[in-house]
Amino acid sequence: GAVVSQHPSWVICKSGTSVKIECRSLDFQATTMFWYRQFPKQSLMLMATSNEGSKATYEQGVEKDKFLINHASLTLSTLTVTSAHPEDSSFYICSAPDTFAGELFFGEGSRLTVL
Amino acid sequence: AQRVTQPEKLLSVFKGAPVELKCNYSYSGSPELFWYVQYSRQRLQLLLRHISRESIKGFTADLNKGETSFHLKKPFAQEEDSAMYYCALSGSTGTASKLTFGTGTRLQVTL
Repeated sequence: GAVVSQHPSWVICKSGTSVKIECRSLDFQATTMFWYRQFPKQSLMLMATSNEGSKATYEQGVEKDKFLINHASLTLSTLTVTSAHPEDSSFYICSAPDTFAGELFFGEGSRLTVL
Repeated sequence: AQRVTQPEKLLSVFKGAPVELKCNYSYSGSPELFWYVQYSRQRLQLLLRHISRESIKGFTADLNKGETSFHLKKPFAQEEDSAMYYCALSGSTGTASKLTFGTGTRLQVTL
């Protein structure tokens, strides 16, 4: 099946710094990508929908200025956690739809730990 | 608002026993329902979707609109079925539709 890759797989940063997470569709193009956040032993919560060439659509309660999303190309979306704080520590997962295959593929996730 | 409920956090069964992972949903329209599976140290992957009406790895799931349920079933559990299972709902058709996930059920198949 198609592959969605996230980088980095894990990152540790100091409080107040910004962290960028990349999501790439390796063998297909995606005009839309989705960013989820998963707390320990909890479900995946949709944060935002990334749209190539236009602004991301954020879910209610998600701070746009805190979680910057950029969909720079048909194969790359980035999530930047700005001025990170310990409460931002979480597992972030992206997904991209392969419309040709008719399936949504998920990245392996990126674990962020803010000290 | 759409919601997906998976009442069991953990389901432990013996190998060869039947399995039923429960999923109930709340949605005002006609949803698309999915089951995703996450094996240990692997990424989330699609197991099956209700519109396909197919059996994958021996698993089946029937959408019951009257009971708003989409339970996942398998007649005989195998060790390799041990994983985290998520039920998910989409309020619109098409692959590029956002999903609402349940909290997941961990299936543990023991000898």
